Amino acid sequence: KAGVTQTPRYLIKTRGQQVTLSCSPISGHRSVSWYQQTPGQGLQFLFEYFSETQRNKGNFPGRFSGRQFSNSRSEMNVSTLELGDSALYLCVSSLSGILTGELFFGEGSRLTVL
Amino acid sequence: AQRVTQPEKLLSVFKGAPVELKCNYSYSGSPELFWYVQYSRQRLQLLLRHISRESIKGFTADLNKGETSFHLKKPFAQEEDSAMYYCALGWAGNQFYFGTGTSLTVIP
Repeated sequence: KAGVTQTPRYLIKTRGQQVTLSCSPISGHRSVSWYQQTPGQGLQFLFEYFSETQRNKGNFPGRFSGRQFSNSRSEMNVSTLELGDSALYLCVSSLSGILTGELFFGEGSRLTVL
Repeated sequence: AQRVTQPEKLLSVFKGAPVELKCNYSYSGSPELFWYVQYSRQRLQLLLRHISRESIKGFTADLNKGETSFHLKKPFAQEEDSAMYYCALGWAGNQFYFGTGTSLTVIP
């Protein structure tokens, strides 16, 4: 059974640019969540999608957005990048949701903003 | 508001010694609490959840509502327990908060 796949694994952008990260959850999983991981703040919840609907959103500015497709694949977008957006972005897949199901983590997309 | 606190960033114990990783939470309702672990060069993975009351790899965690704590314990630490441990709180609304993590090193 393939795990959670995130692309790209590493990317470098400059301030003001935008970036799109992609996540393929485990087959059959309908819940996809995104987290930002930084050394200072740890893991911070961005949003969760379930069956193409955003079910919940963390406390991030509107520059951070996401979507989920009918095949459960998800993308997140960050516009007008800032230096502070440099982080590891983790995609999390779950069969039924973050509370009821075990979470399966991707390896992450490491974004560096220069 | 800080919902999950792991006061120790780093913790070192000798092999065979007991280990306790502290976790305190702030939530007024009935929390769902979890411990996740990340071994070197591996992904984060679930270690245990309070609702199942299970022991995984010798680790246990008891929810203490009075002290709002969910400390992770193991009576005899092993070298393979060296990892990053995250306490996590889930609550209604499907939000999920992680602590900042504790890096455990078991000294041979």
